[in-house]
Amino acid sequence: GENVEQHPSTLSVQEGDSAVIKCTYSDSASNYFPWYKQELGKRPQLIIDIRSNVGEKKDQRIAVTLNKTAKHFSLHITETQPEDSAVYFCAASIKNTNAGKSTFGDGTTLTVKP
Amino acid sequence: NAGVTQTPKFQVLKTGQSMTLQCAQDMNHEYMSWYRQDPGMGLRLIHYSVGAGITDQGEVPNGYNVSRSTTEDFPLRLLSAAPSQTSVYFCASSHAQSTGELFFGEGSRLTVL
Repeated sequence: GENVEQHPSTLSVQEGDSAVIKCTYSDSASNYFPWYKQELGKRPQLIIDIRSNVGEKKDQRIAVTLNKTAKHFSLHITETQPEDSAVYFCAASIKNTNAGKSTFGDGTTLTVKP
Repeated sequence: NAGVTQTPKFQVLKTGQSMTLQCAQDMNHEYMSWYRQDPGMGLRLIHYSVGAGITDQGEVPNGYNVSRSTTEDFPLRLLSAAPSQTSVYFCASSHAQSTGELFFGEGSRLTVL
């Protein structure tokens, strides 16, 4: 089955700096790569996603890049703010047979210091 | 729309007791799934369903049962609770024709003593 590894497990940055979180996956059939943000005590919520036919996607301060050959994808957050502090999860799935079966990374706890 | 609703939010059980975590969604999503979240281990899939009457096992199914008698409901049953099942449980749903985004419930924190 799919295996997703996520690094780093914790990340601390100063407000205004950039943050990068990286994930690798093992199943070359995976074609959908979402990122979820989970604030303390809350449910995970999608913040951005990318499909395998796209190399990069941006949404304001957040961007995701995908390298299919190397089987890795990354989340980039620019101009970080204290409200970006949360746990971030990457995931991989096969969209055409999704069935809600996403494989998640172990999460990255991001702390943005004011 | 209420989205995905889970009950109860908190539960304490003794070893050997049974219980059911309820999950309901009002978005007419075909896919529903249960994940457990443990510290440092991300979200691990327990069971999932692609539609009413169809269920299958995920990565960590032992000790749990599910059924899907309707599109809206997907309860998770713990048959004989063990301390290793202490965790936060999330129900999620997604639309078959969508991007694949999972919509999560608020979570249920279960402690087994």
